[in-house]
Amino acid sequence: SQTIHQWPATLVQPVGSPLSLECTVEGTSNPNLYWYRQAAGRGLQLLFYSVGIGQISSEVPQNLSASRPQDRQFILSSKKLLLSDSGFYLCAWSSSGNLITYEQYFGPGTRLTVT
Amino acid sequence: AQKITQTQPGMFVQEKEAVTLDCTYDTSDQSYGLFWYKQPSSGEMIFLIYQGSYDEQNATEGRYSLNFQKARKSANLVISASQLGDSAMYFCAMREGNYGQNFVFGPGTRLSVLP
Repeated sequence: SQTIHQWPATLVQPVGSPLSLECTVEGTSNPNLYWYRQAAGRGLQLLFYSVGIGQISSEVPQNLSASRPQDRQFILSSKKLLLSDSGFYLCAWSSSGNLITYEQYFGPGTRLTVT
Repeated sequence: AQKITQTQPGMFVQEKEAVTLDCTYDTSDQSYGLFWYKQPSSGEMIFLIYQGSYDEQNATEGRYSLNFQKARKSANLVISASQLGDSAMYFCAMREGNYGQNFVFGPGTRLSVLP
């Protein structure tokens, strides 16, 4: 069966510090991978998605970046965090192919607080 | 313009009663998928139900059913026999695009089930 891991679960970082959040998927090949951010009490904002190694699409221009160094690994980074980067970050995967019918499966999330 | 609209920020329902959570969507694609997710206070996103744009029958999954009205572009979630554990945020989402990579979430509805 497929599983998706995210770490760390919680993170407190000062403004201006770097960020690296990691997401890995097990039990599937060539998944589509997604990074979302959720502000407190709000919906999900798609940040990045990837349909293959090295292929990253950005939905919202900001000080965050994403990379996919391996098929089942997706990394969210920042060189300098802003206060507005605080939120709940969710990684998700879905099967490639006939995509319309495939739901996304979400990781447990990382709660980031920028102080 | 918002692609997914959920007009009910919060809903209350008595235990064992049915409740309908509204969702309207906007797309020019002929092929798309509609999804509902549940997010308890723990933060995890739980997939509930899927409806394809070409599906003629309304989707059902246990106590969940999706009232799909294509001409009105609505995809309301019906929860029958509400339970206390149903208290959570509920998100409507749509998947569209040439490769189905675009996944858009609504702002969510917070459901509270009263004993």
